[in-house]
Amino acid sequence: DIQMTQSPSSLSASVGDRVTITCRASQGINNYLAWFQQKPGKAPKSLIYAASSLQSGVPSKFSGSGSGTDFTLTISNLQPDDFATYYCQQYNTYPLTFGGGTKVDIK
Amino acid sequence: EVQLLDSGGGLVQPGGSLRLSCAASGFTFSSYAMSWVRQAPGKGLEWVSTISDSGSNTYYADPLKGRFTISRDNSKNTLYLQMNSLRAEDTAVYYCAKVKFTGASRGVDFWGQGTLVTVSS
Repeated sequence: DIQMTQSPSSLSASVGDRVTITCRASQGINNYLAWFQQKPGKAPKSLIYAASSLQSGVPSKFSGSGSGTDFTLTISNLQPDDFATYYCQQYNTYPLTFGGGTKVDIK
Repeated sequence: EVQLLDSGGGLVQPGGSLRLSCAASGFTFSSYAMSWVRQAPGKGLEWVSTISDSGSNTYYADPLKGRFTISRDNSKNTLYLQMNSLRAEDTAVYYCAKVKFTGASRGVDFWGQGTLVTVSS
């Protein structure tokens, strides 16, 4: 199975900050990497697919990059609505696997 | 507008069975693969199973093979997850999710609201 390692597991940031979350795959995943946002008690929301493509309706403050095994999610101009937990997922190979999540909270 | 409505969760005793449903609307259901993902209380996301658009191909997380069965009824625009021999560790919120591209079997874009399954005596 492909292991997905996210870092950090949590971070504190202020409104207006730019934050970066990292996701590392245990082997190459051909850029089949997705990012999701989840708020407490809610379903996940899809943000990015294919490592860097925004899902429809997702604001451009979210951006994804990377290739091979190393990927990043960057959120610019952090707003109160962005405080949530973020997950990466590889969908190159079954079983599909998620990172452990990064909780972004208010400093 | 794409809508996925998860239902069928509840309290079940260890060893029992439950069938989850996901009613889809707002898109041509029969053209898209679908998945189930679960989340145990306070834990991260875990992929459970995926079914192709026609239903002819299915994929499962290894620990769940033989106990869980994914299926779909394209005439009813509904996805199912039959769960047998349930264990306490199957306690989770179960989400259905739509695969983004036709002809693909992986990579989701829309999620249902989830349905809670609690396995306890």
